Amino acid sequence: EPEVTQTPSHQVTQMGQEVILRCVPISNHLYFYWYRQILGQKVEFLVSFYNNEISEKSEIFDDQFSVERPDGSNFTLKIRSTKLEDSAMYFCASRTGASYEQYFGPGTRLTVT
Amino acid sequence: QQPVQSPQAVILREGEDAVINCSSSKALYSVHWYRQKHGEAPVFLMILLKGGEQKGHEKISASFNEKKQQSSLYLTASQLSYSGTYFCGTENTGNQFYFGTGTSLTVIP
Repeated sequence: EPEVTQTPSHQVTQMGQEVILRCVPISNHLYFYWYRQILGQKVEFLVSFYNNEISEKSEIFDDQFSVERPDGSNFTLKIRSTKLEDSAMYFCASRTGASYEQYFGPGTRLTVT
Repeated sequence: QQPVQSPQAVILREGEDAVINCSSSKALYSVHWYRQKHGEAPVFLMILLKGGEQKGHEKISASFNEKKQQSSLYLTASQLSYSGTYFCGTENTGNQFYFGTGTSLTVIP
C-alpha cells in the first residue's frame, strides 16, 4: 500500500541553524500539508500546497518557514533559523483531489538545542 | 476557528461506549475524525460533509448536525485498540485544516 514517507525520523540541531525536513507524498496525490505537534499538544496546521504554490498558511508559518516541491516527488519544509520553540514533531500529509482523506507520514522529530 | 472537543479525556472499561463531541461557533465546511496513538501519526477515520449526515466504520460512527456546527463520534463496545487521542478537524475551501483540541481515550481491561 502506498504511504507517505519522511526523513529524517529525528533531527537534532542547534539554535539558529537551518533545517530541511523532507517528505515524499503518495505519487498521485495533489494536495500537500505540513503540520506541527509540540509534545503532548494538539496537531497544528502550518501550510497547504497545491499546484506548486502555497494554498494557505497559518500564523505559525512566518518568514522563517518555506516549502518547496523541487522535483515533483519531494516536498520539503525549511526552517531558516531554528528556535528552541521549534522543537516538535513535524508531520507531512497528502491527499488526492477526489477525497479529503489525508494520509500522514510518520513524522520527523525536531529537537533544537 | 479551531473546533472545540469534549470531553478532554475519558477512561473506559472494555465493552463500554463513549461519545466525543466536536463543536464550532461557525458552520463547518466538513468535519473529519482522526485517531492518533501515542508516538504515531494521526490516522483518518471518516469525513462528514453534509448536515444531518451519519456515517459508520465498524463500531465507530459519527454524526454531523443539520447546522453543521457540531459533530459527535460514537464508539460502541470499546476495545483496547481504541485507545488514543481523537481529533476532529475541518478544512476550509482554501485548504487550511484545523484540528480540534483533542480527546484522550483510554480503554482498560
